[in-house]
Amino acid sequence: AQSVAQPEDQVNVAEGNPLTVKCTYSVSGNPYLFWYVQYPNRGLQFLLKYITGDNLVKGSYGFEAEFNKSQTSFHLKKPSALVSDSALYFCAVRDGYSSASKIIFGSGTRLSIRP
Amino acid sequence: ETGVTQTPRHLVMGMTNKKSLKCEQHLGHNAMYWYKQSAKKPLELMFVYSLEERVENNSVPSRFSPECPNSSHLFLHLHTLQPEDSALYLCASSQDPRDTTNEKLFFGSGTQLSVL
Repeated sequence: AQSVAQPEDQVNVAEGNPLTVKCTYSVSGNPYLFWYVQYPNRGLQFLLKYITGDNLVKGSYGFEAEFNKSQTSFHLKKPSALVSDSALYFCAVRDGYSSASKIIFGSGTRLSIRP
Repeated sequence: ETGVTQTPRHLVMGMTNKKSLKCEQHLGHNAMYWYKQSAKKPLELMFVYSLEERVENNSVPSRFSPECPNSSHLFLHLHTLQPEDSALYLCASSQDPRDTTNEKLFFGSGTQLSVL
C-alpha cells in the first residue's frame, strides 16, 4: 500500500532564511511525487511534481524539491523564505506502476514565516 | 482563480437536513473528485468520476451521495449527517486520470460544512 508522511505539523522560519518541509513516502512501484500549497480560505494549488529524471525539481514561487530514492524522501525547499510563503503544504504520492492507483496526500505542514 | 468553483462557501446544517454541495469546472477536464479535509488529518479521497462514470468510492457512508450529470458539474448530496462529518469539502478536477505522468489536480476553494 502506498503512503506519505509529513513528520512536522508546523515549521517556523525567519524571513530570508532557507526553509525545508519534510516528506517521506512508501510505494511498491515507481513513485510519482507532488507538492501542493493551500493558502487561507483557498483550495490546494499545484507547486511541483517528480515523475522521472533529475532528482531536483523546480516549481512555482521559487520552490524546489529533492527526490532521494535511498531515503524515500521528497523534501520541499526554498533558499530564502518570504512572509507570503506562509501557508499549509501537502505532499502527495502516487504509485506509478498502476494507472488505477490514486494520489494519496499527507496530513499537511503549516509553514509560518516571521518578518 | 483555478477554474473550479464550489458553492456554497459555508454551510451549517442539522443532522436531519438534506443539502447539496455543487462544483463546476471550466477547464474542459474529464475527471472530477471529492475530497474531505479535516484538521491535522490527511486529505481523504471520497469519490472520483472519470468521463461521468464513478470510478472510485472510498468506502464512504451512504449519507454522502455523489452525482455527476456531465463532465463539468459534480454534486455531493448530504442526508442525515453526523457532527463528525463537519469538515472542508474540496472538489478537484484533472485532465485525464489515466495519464498518470501529466496528472495535476485543480482544486476549488471548498465548502466549509458544520453539522450541528
